[in-house]
Amino acid sequence: DAKTTQPNSMESNEEEPVHLPCNHSTISGTDYIHWYRQLPSQGPEYVIHGLTSNVNNRMASLAIAEDRKSSTLILHRATLRDAAVYYCILIRSGGSNYKLTFGKGTLLTVNP
Amino acid sequence: KAGVTQTPRYLIKTRGQQVTLSCSPISGHRSVSWYQQTPGQGLQFLFEYFSETQRNKGNFPGRFSGRQFSNSRSEMNVSTLELGDSALYLCASSWGYTDTQYFGPGTRLTVL
Repeated sequence: DAKTTQPNSMESNEEEPVHLPCNHSTISGTDYIHWYRQLPSQGPEYVIHGLTSNVNNRMASLAIAEDRKSSTLILHRATLRDAAVYYCILIRSGGSNYKLTFGKGTLLTVNP
Repeated sequence: KAGVTQTPRYLIKTRGQQVTLSCSPISGHRSVSWYQQTPGQGLQFLFEYFSETQRNKGNFPGRFSGRQFSNSRSEMNVSTLELGDSALYLCASSWGYTDTQYFGPGTRLTVL
């Protein structure tokens, strides 16, 4: 499985944008980039995913580098409820990769 | 639409005992995956079922087993419990291959 690399932790202030980076230099052409987050005492929650183009949804935006070797999850205005561990994961389309391989993720702290 | 439910939410067992955990997926979802989460190892994939068949298995000993019923509900069993089995066990469901997975709140197992 292709690996992802994320910073261990990041800090942000409330109502400011947050850019969470993820490196995936060994990504293959059919790997989708998924982001999940885990709030304290809860199971992981899907945030967003994309293949090549930037994606937006009500929760966040996903910016994917042109060479696809890195991506950035963007929270446009962080709130205290966004404090969580964020995981960047690659999922291969059409393959047998139906298990999610989680790394350590990035612990996001949001200051009031 | 109801989310993924897991029962029980909390469980305390002693070494040597066995335990069965239950997961009810989102209605219409046919794939159910199980994960173990510990502070030291993070989130690790246990196994995945689709239409009552185990399609993939993680690197866990044979004491960990599971099954899926015709209504897609799934159970996992751990026999001869060890102290190291203390963890949060998470279940996730999805419609099919490589689709977004939706996680339940987990079952917190403590082995004494």
